[in-house]
Amino acid sequence: EDKVVQSPLSLVVHEGDTVTLNCSYEVTNFRSLLWYKQEKKAPTFLFMLTSSGIEKKSGRLSSILDKKELFSILNITATQTGDSAIYLCAVAQGAQKLVFGQGTRLTINP
Amino acid sequence: NAGVTQTPKFQVLKTGQSMTLQCAQDMNHEYMSWYRQDPGMGLRLIHYSVGAGITDQGEVPNGYNVSRSTTEDFPLRLLSAAPSQTSVYFCASSYSGDRPYGYTFGSGTRLTVV
Repeated sequence: EDKVVQSPLSLVVHEGDTVTLNCSYEVTNFRSLLWYKQEKKAPTFLFMLTSSGIEKKSGRLSSILDKKELFSILNITATQTGDSAIYLCAVAQGAQKLVFGQGTRLTINP
Repeated sequence: NAGVTQTPKFQVLKTGQSMTLQCAQDMNHEYMSWYRQDPGMGLRLIHYSVGAGITDQGEVPNGYNVSRSTTEDFPLRLLSAAPSQTSVYFCASSYSGDRPYGYTFGSGTRLTVV
């Protein structure tokens, strides 16, 4: 059975802290791994990872994929209250299907 | 460029009623799919389509029908609504390229079945 597991499920930190979100997967026909941020509406795209060891960066966010150990991490440095959201990890099976993890609910307290 | 448009945004149904959730995209994407999201869970695939006239089941297809008569539209039908179908529904479209942003989501439909 295809599955994507995220940890922790919930995380509360103070503004300025650094957080690491984890995503492990066992999915057939792996094409890519994607990270999304979800606030009140639809998920918004953060990163797509296809190759091991290549870190993707966007401002204070970064992510890396390990295809041998079947996991990915999402790091957020110098967190801000606007980073509070649910972070979703998904694995693309081909171009048409995504298998999602349960999500990590991140709360940043001022 | 509207992207993926879902209607309605909110809906309340009585048990046993039927309805159609609409989804349209204007990006000429080949693939379209429907997901549902329940509290504490990620999104789960209901049905998907790889092109006009071709559909297939996802992880949780029971109680839902789809059809794809055009590239642009992919409606989701609830045949006889049940309280277990209370959820937030997202439509997505994608294409076969490897470029980022290959998956675009609609803004969601919040459905309550009473």
